[in-house]
Amino acid sequence: QVQLVESGGGVVQPGRSLRLSCAVSGFTFNHYGMHWVRQAPGKGLEWVAVISYDGGNKYYADSVRGRFTISRDNSKNTLYLEMSSLRAEDTAVYYCAKGTSGNYYLHYFDYWGQGTLVTVSS
Amino acid sequence: DIQMTQSPSTLSASVGDRVSMTCRASQSISSWLAWYQQKPGKAPNLLIYKASSLQSGVPSRFSGSGSGTEFTLTISSLQPDDFATYYCQQYSNYYTFGQGTKLEIK
Repeated sequence: QVQLVESGGGVVQPGRSLRLSCAVSGFTFNHYGMHWVRQAPGKGLEWVAVISYDGGNKYYADSVRGRFTISRDNSKNTLYLEMSSLRAEDTAVYYCAKGTSGNYYLHYFDYWGQGTLVTVSS
Repeated sequence: DIQMTQSPSTLSASVGDRVSMTCRASQSISSWLAWYQQKPGKAPNLLIYKASSLQSGVPSRFSGSGSGTEFTLTISSLQPDDFATYYCQQYSNYYTFGQGTKLEIK
């Protein structure tokens, strides 16, 4: 069955960096665009970034553009989110989610991971 | 950017009730709309895509309608497992979620 498993969350000081990973199984990873979505404590869902099936196209929410980098390693069936210059407002559960085609547009999210909590605090 | 507005923010209902909630887009998104259910501490679960298509495995009491800028999620007969928060999401121009509707027990 389809599984997405995030890791790499934790407590980090403001201004520092952190890398999240999402290991996937149960579908052909290199056929699908992939996303990161986050949810601040007690708040709603916020889309963060998308990457196309081959890594050739990447797009970001305004709130993270220039600070976060999405990438993938299709040989390892793994999605990444490199987060730098972290701020208190980046504190959230970060979910990886599977897109519904290989490109970066017109996706809904049919499978989600369980999420990993990132806390930005001194 | 396309803004998504859900109403009401909170909806109180009883088991067996028929309930509806609304999602409005700040500009036309055709039928590029999905609905998700989220329970506390869990990841969202896809219910509806392309405004009215039921995701495989989702009970038929859930239905979606609308196009353009106004959309509705309806649950025909509430079950105890349905009390949760519901989010709409547009995927016409990148991706935006609504702020959610919390469905609570009356």
